[in-house]
Amino acid sequence: TQLLEQSPQFLSIQEGENLTVYCNSSSVFSSLQWYRQEPGEGPVLLVTVVTGGEVKKLKRLTFQFGDARKDSSLHITAAQPGDTGLYLCAGARGYGQNFVFGPGTRLSALP
Amino acid sequence: NAGVTQTPKFRILKIGQSMTLQCTQDMNHNYMYWYRQDPGMGLKLIYYSVGAGITDKGEVPNGYNVSRSTTEDFPLRLELAAPSQTSVYFCASYSGGYTFGSGTRLTVV
Repeated sequence: TQLLEQSPQFLSIQEGENLTVYCNSSSVFSSLQWYRQEPGEGPVLLVTVVTGGEVKKLKRLTFQFGDARKDSSLHITAAQPGDTGLYLCAGARGYGQNFVFGPGTRLSALP
Repeated sequence: NAGVTQTPKFRILKIGQSMTLQCTQDMNHNYMYWYRQDPGMGLKLIYYSVGAGITDKGEVPNGYNVSRSTTEDFPLRLELAAPSQTSVYFCASYSGGYTFGSGTRLTVV
């Protein structure tokens, strides 16, 4: 049983399309992070959200933390082939607690 | 600025063999971690360390051992390799976010 669920598991879209991926849990998290992982490499941190309802933008990527701090979403506007990768969310249940990772959403943005 | 460096990048082991996965970081981070990544399963925590001389088990520690004699180095030891240990292993350090190495792809045959 996964503490964090991510959906969809796979997503294939055309360049220029918009998309949203989701990270859900029944647990409350003190903070949540999103990572992107490219083939043959380790995950790279994109953002950290800590406040319920918080929205952060990183160029064409918009991250939202749910009001109850149990879920999060990542929206990509006008996807580009460079957005291709595995998107992982990771949640911490308390200050100083280790993060638990979701299984990831594998995105293919085709030219 | 190398960040987190893992060696080797690839390795094939026979059942029952042992090996050490090396990990070193140059950011002076106290927190270091070892994860394994299997398809569709995300990252599972094997062991972690909050500083030199201190280590603790994560979610899936069986079959592995670690040591932390210095802040920089956090090697992972596999004793008596089993096919279930076929995976991609990532070392990471933490300071506000994880910095991961590029991984070791291990196959046990």
